[in-house]
Amino acid sequence: GNSVTQMEGPVTLSEEAFLTINCTYTATGYPSLFWYVQYPGEGLQLLLKATKADDKGSNKGFEATYRKETTSFHLEKGSVQVSDSAVYFCALSGLLYNQGGKLIFGQGTELSVKP
Amino acid sequence: SAVISQKPSRDICQRGTSLTIQCQVDSQVTMMFWYRQQPGQSLTLIATANQGSEATYESGFVIDKFPISRPNLTFSTLTVSNMSPEDSSIYLCSVSLGNTIYFGEGSWLTVV
Repeated sequence: GNSVTQMEGPVTLSEEAFLTINCTYTATGYPSLFWYVQYPGEGLQLLLKATKADDKGSNKGFEATYRKETTSFHLEKGSVQVSDSAVYFCALSGLLYNQGGKLIFGQGTELSVKP
Repeated sequence: SAVISQKPSRDICQRGTSLTIQCQVDSQVTMMFWYRQQPGQSLTLIATANQGSEATYESGFVIDKFPISRPNLTFSTLTVSNMSPEDSSIYLCSVSLGNTIYFGEGSWLTVV
């Protein structure tokens, strides 16, 4: 079945460090891929998405490229800030029409950025 | 885009009671989804709610415990029945619009 695997956290970085959070997936066909962010005490926000192979999603300095050959969608940011401290979830969408809104989530990676 | 409103945003509930969570969307959508996020965990899909038909539940979730209503294309409710402390979670409503999936702010339930 479809699944998403993220690198385990917590990840602790100093401000302005480079961030990579690894995400790999297992799916048949070509799902859409998403990164969501959950700040402390808040709900889930869409950070970025990619709907086909080689697409790059970007937002707020974060980027992720849909790599079909390696079934990956790693999240990167060149210089993190304390305000980026949150839990990050990688997710893929269902592949059939009636599953198009169903998301399969990775386990989440907690990021803590220190000043 | 879609704006999703959930009520209540937070609640503390007594064990053995039931609570109904409401989800209102500002656009008409065919399917609405309910997720659960237990403390420190990822999100798990509870069920898919289509207007005019019975909800479809994922493995491990049953209608008696999580009855769902979907009376129209912009509204749905999820009831958490006979609550126990293990039901303490964030419950999130979600919709798909275009090729983007939107979430409500979540309903944070604590069962004591």
